[in-house]
Amino acid sequence: EPEVTQTPSHQVTQMGQEVILRCVPISNHLYFYWYRQILGQKVEFLVSFYNNEISEKSEIFDDQFSVERPDGSNFTLKIRSTKLEDSAMYFCASGYSSYNEQFFGPGTRLTVL
Amino acid sequence: SQQGEEDPQALSIQEGENATMNCSYKTSINNLQWYRQNSGRGLVHLILIRSNEREKHSGRLRVTLDTSKKSSSLLITASRAADTASYFCATVLDSNYQLIWGAGTKLIIKP
Repeated sequence: EPEVTQTPSHQVTQMGQEVILRCVPISNHLYFYWYRQILGQKVEFLVSFYNNEISEKSEIFDDQFSVERPDGSNFTLKIRSTKLEDSAMYFCASGYSSYNEQFFGPGTRLTVL
Repeated sequence: SQQGEEDPQALSIQEGENATMNCSYKTSINNLQWYRQNSGRGLVHLILIRSNEREKHSGRLRVTLDTSKKSSSLLITASRAADTASYFCATVLDSNYQLIWGAGTKLIIKP
């Protein structure tokens, strides 16, 4: 069964460094999302991406964040200058259409020191 | 304001019993989805119910939706130890596609 994959599973970085989190969505999906979950807290929406552009973003998704679909398979989230409060589990999700279920990857645990 | 709120926050039952979790939300929705998360792991989609549906079943899962009360419930029948996880409801509004999440119910099934 096709699944969303994410790499790395765990990323440790120093404050101020750039990180790129990678995702390979399910191949025939058209909608792509990033969410994050700070330890012990709710899952929070970051951004959605459709037709090679951002369709929605939350207040969390400020100028330090960017997303890209550099080729036909990868979907990346870049954080330009990480802060301590960026430490969280980051989930990528994809879906075939806008109002259907979203399929989640296993997550990347980002630790900013 | 928070869109999805589950209750109870935690539920501990004996294996074989039924588990019921509730979710309330504030604004009109396009659909409501339930997900499971095992400790420290990814989110697994369980079931989606649209605003024009009242009940859906999937295996041992039964979800109801009452749009007049802005609430949903997830029933897991004949619970198993493997059902131990956190369960989240998430809503999708008509105006956008993002999932808006509740805080989750932590379910523990005692063998």
